[in-house]
Amino acid sequence: GAVVSQHPSWVICKSGTSVKIECRSLDFQATTMFWYRQFPKQSLMLMATSNEGSKATYEQGVEKDKFLINHASLTLSTLTVTSAHPEDSSFYICSGGPLSYEQYFGPGTRLTVT
Amino acid sequence: QKEVEQDPGPLSVPEGAIVSLNCTYSNSAFQYFMWYRQYSRKGPELLMYTYSSGNKEDGRFTAQVDKSSKYISLFIRDSQPSDSATYLCAMSVGANAGKSTFGDGTTLTVKP
Repeated sequence: GAVVSQHPSWVICKSGTSVKIECRSLDFQATTMFWYRQFPKQSLMLMATSNEGSKATYEQGVEKDKFLINHASLTLSTLTVTSAHPEDSSFYICSGGPLSYEQYFGPGTRLTVT
Repeated sequence: QKEVEQDPGPLSVPEGAIVSLNCTYSNSAFQYFMWYRQYSRKGPELLMYTYSSGNKEDGRFTAQVDKSSKYISLFIRDSQPSDSATYLCAMSVGANAGKSTFGDGTTLTVKP
């Protein structure tokens, strides 16, 4: 299958600071990538669709000014959590795929806001 | 009521057992059905995907979809300790699996 990487795998930040998470497709080009968050023992919740060269589309209830998404190239999408607060602590996962019906997930980024 | 309900588990079986994992759903528009395996603190790994009703087999894994009952299953034959993980079902209306709706997952432990 295709490979998606994420960086960092774990980040701790102080409340009020911003954190950037990178998602890279290593062996395919992705015009579209997806960002999810997952709370412990819960399912993945789609946050937004990242579109190369255009604005991201956000799911209902997701603050676009808080979760900034930039899809600068066909292999890189970034999620920036701005002015992070403890309630933003979660597991953030991206996905992409060479075909729309085959999605490959990154290893995830665990964000802890103190 | 959630669109996708997954048997919560946890499930514990001896090595070599046949495992059955199940999900039900309410949205009749779902056409694509996926199963993912997720190890602790890792991203999900696509195991199988199926379009519409029917069975699909891949090695020790068999996915079944019954659209008339809105019910999907994943069977694991000859289960191994390495199969111990959380299994997520997911479904989408169109072929865009990135916009799937996920179940909450079933945690499986296979004991040697």
